[in-house]
Amino acid sequence: SAVISQKPSRDICQRGTSLTIQCQVDSQVTMMFWYRQQPGQSLTLIATANQGSEATYESGFVIDKFPISRPNLTFSTLTVSNMSPEDSSIYLCSVAGGQGFTEAFFGQGTRLTVV
Amino acid sequence: QKEVEQNSGPLSVPEGAIASLNCTYSDRVSQSFFWYRQYSGKSPELIMSIYSNGDKEDGRFTAQLNKASQYVSLLIRDSQPSDSATYLCAVNMDGNNRLAFGKGNQVVVIP
Repeated sequence: SAVISQKPSRDICQRGTSLTIQCQVDSQVTMMFWYRQQPGQSLTLIATANQGSEATYESGFVIDKFPISRPNLTFSTLTVSNMSPEDSSIYLCSVAGGQGFTEAFFGQGTRLTVV
Repeated sequence: QKEVEQNSGPLSVPEGAIASLNCTYSDRVSQSFFWYRQYSGKSPELIMSIYSNGDKEDGRFTAQLNKASQYVSLLIRDSQPSDSATYLCAVNMDGNNRLAFGKGNQVVVIP
């Protein structure tokens, strides 16, 4: 697998502000994804981060709310924009298609609380 | 997103027993299936992947897949207290590792 580092690990933010979460992988990977895990719930895919092009969003998620960048094969960011308390969740970066592996592995997550 | 169902409630098993977890999925074309373990406050950790019908064993874990019945299961043999966690079933939606997850099953191993 790969070593996946997410920053920040947690944050408390004021409503109406934005937070950018970073995901750094220690080796090049083909695919990077962003998931959300709401309190007590399972994981929901937000989008696929595409290198050098716009992310592909799942139904119910839009670019204006969750802009994503992926400038290269080892790094991606997710921004949660104009936050409300309903955005309080764990946000997880996932990678797949790296050296020696095809399955998806997860970063440690970012625990976001919006007040 | 595709539906993945894990309907069982929390599962309590005595130490040393077998824990059995079940998962069904809605999309017949799904080809790859995964079990993740998630400890409280931690991120999901991949423990098993299975791609073909039948059984796949890895240590104390056995995954079983039946594509005709759209069913995948996980057996944990000789359960240990360290196995106490939530187990998430995941299905690859399109072959590109876009995963749909079930709600998870909490397993509690009682010493």
